[in-house]
Amino acid sequence: NAGVTQTPKFRILKIGQSMTLQCTQDMNHNYMYWYRQDPGMGLKLIYYSVGAGITDKGEVPNGYNVSRSTTEDFPLRLELAAPSQTSVYFCASSNDPYEQYFGPGTRLTVT
Amino acid sequence: DAKTTQPPSMDCAEGRAANLPCNHSTISGNEYVYWYRQIHSQGPQYIIHGLKNNETNEMASLIITEDRKSSTLILPHATLRDTAVYYCIVRVLGFQKLVFGTGTRLLVSP
Repeated sequence: NAGVTQTPKFRILKIGQSMTLQCTQDMNHNYMYWYRQDPGMGLKLIYYSVGAGITDKGEVPNGYNVSRSTTEDFPLRLELAAPSQTSVYFCASSNDPYEQYFGPGTRLTVT
Repeated sequence: DAKTTQPPSMDCAEGRAANLPCNHSTISGNEYVYWYRQIHSQGPQYIIHGLKNNETNEMASLIITEDRKSSTLILPHATLRDTAVYYCIVRVLGFQKLVFGTGTRLLVSP
């Protein structure tokens, strides 16, 4: 199993551009999550999904959108990128109530 | 969710036990203690969790005080690869989001 994969690994965006961060898991997990981590800080939840077709907001959803059309994929869309969205983005999935599996992260810079 | 307090940093010599404390004085009866770690900006990795009994797995041991107001994660023989930020999280058991604080940065030195 590849686990949780994320693409791209790095990206530089100009202010106002849009992009989609990809996340795929091959563990048949129902639950998937998007977090962001600013320098020196802990992770904050952006959105999560409890299954295909079902998503909900986390702590910091503004400026982002998600969709979950399949069990495997949970893309995160950034519309009108702003410098405040410069961060490292982690996708995670789980089927256990105590363990989440994290991807390697996408490092995004908005200038 | 109960608030957790961890020291910002700790040092440990390679081969010695690393004891990472966590205070959670407002923990509720149905809340578990989870530990995750994050090695050099990789995605966090689950280590262990417990409710009130001490727990051990292949990675670490978790000691929870009898009043459940604090706990200690023990890495019995720390290696250089254990250098990481360790997060103590208190949540009810379930598929909820994890709330990460700033954790303890553990530096294991030769």
